[in-house]
Amino acid sequence: GAVVSQHPSWVICKSGTSVKIECRSLDFQATTMFWYRQFPKQSLMLMATSNEGSKATYEQGVEKDKFLINHASLTLSTLTVTSAHPEDSSFYICSARTGVIAGGYYEQYFGPGTRLTVT
Amino acid sequence: AQTVTQSQPEMSVQEAETVTLSCTYDTSENNYYLFWYKQPPSRQMILVIRQEAYKQQNATENRFSVNFQKAAKSFSLKISDSQLGDTAMYFCAFMKGSNFGNEKLTFGTGTRLTIIP
Repeated sequence: GAVVSQHPSWVICKSGTSVKIECRSLDFQATTMFWYRQFPKQSLMLMATSNEGSKATYEQGVEKDKFLINHASLTLSTLTVTSAHPEDSSFYICSARTGVIAGGYYEQYFGPGTRLTVT
Repeated sequence: AQTVTQSQPEMSVQEAETVTLSCTYDTSENNYYLFWYKQPPSRQMILVIRQEAYKQQNATENRFSVNFQKAAKSFSLKISDSQLGDTAMYFCAFMKGSNFGNEKLTFGTGTRLTIIP
């Protein structure tokens, strides 16, 4: 299957600083990308949906000024956690979706995730 | 809004045995997809199997098969001849059908499956 990469895989930052996480679709063009947050032993919580060249759509309760999403190209989306605090520590997963393929369906692939620790 | 319920937080089974994971969902949509995803300790999400709601035939992928009961809104996953590598968190997920590609996945709370040697 197709590959989605995330960088970095693990980041530690100090409270008050900002950190950027990159998500790349390596061998396909992603018309839509998704960002999820996952707490230990819990399910994935969708944070936002982004389409290339347009503003992201945030889920209710997600602060768009804190979690900045940029989908600048069909292969790259970034999530910037601004003024990070310890409560932002979590596992962040991106997912990239292809355009519609045969049968009217599209495939969705997940990145390996980024562990963010804010001290 | 759609909801996905997984009522089994944890399960364990002996290697080579068969195990069934339960999932129920609630929706008023007629066009939708259902999925089972696996998240092993590496935390990489892996698609196990997909079912289109309009298909009556249950999907199968090697040792993995589903029992899709549309009227009952039930979508269980059966793993046959379980292997140690099947140890993982399993998430059931729902997605509305769309031509636009923006529809989001709604995940259940997950079932932690442990295969015992």
